[in-house]
Amino acid sequence: GAGVSQSPSNKVTEKGKDVELRCDPISGHTALYWYRQSLGQGLEFLIYFQGNSAPDKSGLPSDRFSAERTGGSVSTLTIQRTQQEDSAVYLCASSPGTGGSEQFFGPGTRLTVL
Amino acid sequence: AQSVTQLGSHVSVSEGALVLLRCNYSSSVPPYLFWYVQYPNQGLQLLLKYTTGATLVKGINGFEAEFKKSETSFHLTKPSAHMSDAAEYFCAVRDQTGANNLFFGTGTRLTVIP
Repeated sequence: GAGVSQSPSNKVTEKGKDVELRCDPISGHTALYWYRQSLGQGLEFLIYFQGNSAPDKSGLPSDRFSAERTGGSVSTLTIQRTQQEDSAVYLCASSPGTGGSEQFFGPGTRLTVL
Repeated sequence: AQSVTQLGSHVSVSEGALVLLRCNYSSSVPPYLFWYVQYPNQGLQLLLKYTTGATLVKGINGFEAEFKKSETSFHLTKPSAHMSDAAEYFCAVRDQTGANNLFFGTGTRLTVIP
């Protein structure tokens, strides 16, 4: 079956512009996560969606970052007024549940802010 | 809060030699522990996980890891390295207090020397 997909695979933008990153989770997975992978910072949790519950936004680094998940499926991560320090690979993962469930990762979106 | 320490950001082994990648965790509750592998320009793939039960867990590609509570460790091993094992490896602990997001170590890049 299809895995987690993300688009675009690469995004180059200018400082100050807004960007939207998309994640299509595995069908039927109730949990969806966004992580950021950057040099020197490793993998950082950003935000978590579980079913219809309010998302856990505790990992978002600033109010320029936001995310939504429509219909319990596709998710969009939006970064407003991008800064050079936002350059990173943004990874999305989905999971069929919680507990010890495996998180399945997408290939990521590489964001470069010039 | 959980955290993970991976000793050695780079490890080099000869083809056929033992692979040992170290991971120590910090958790105030019994953890769920994971090892993921990331090949260049790809997302993360689960190698193995420990949730409950047997402390020695076997994963894909001949890898295994042993959960040692007394040492708060979850080291990854493989008896004989193969060229295809060259990749970056991430140890992660799951947050049981709410979001179920993963806390990752900073990763270990494995090089296999022919």
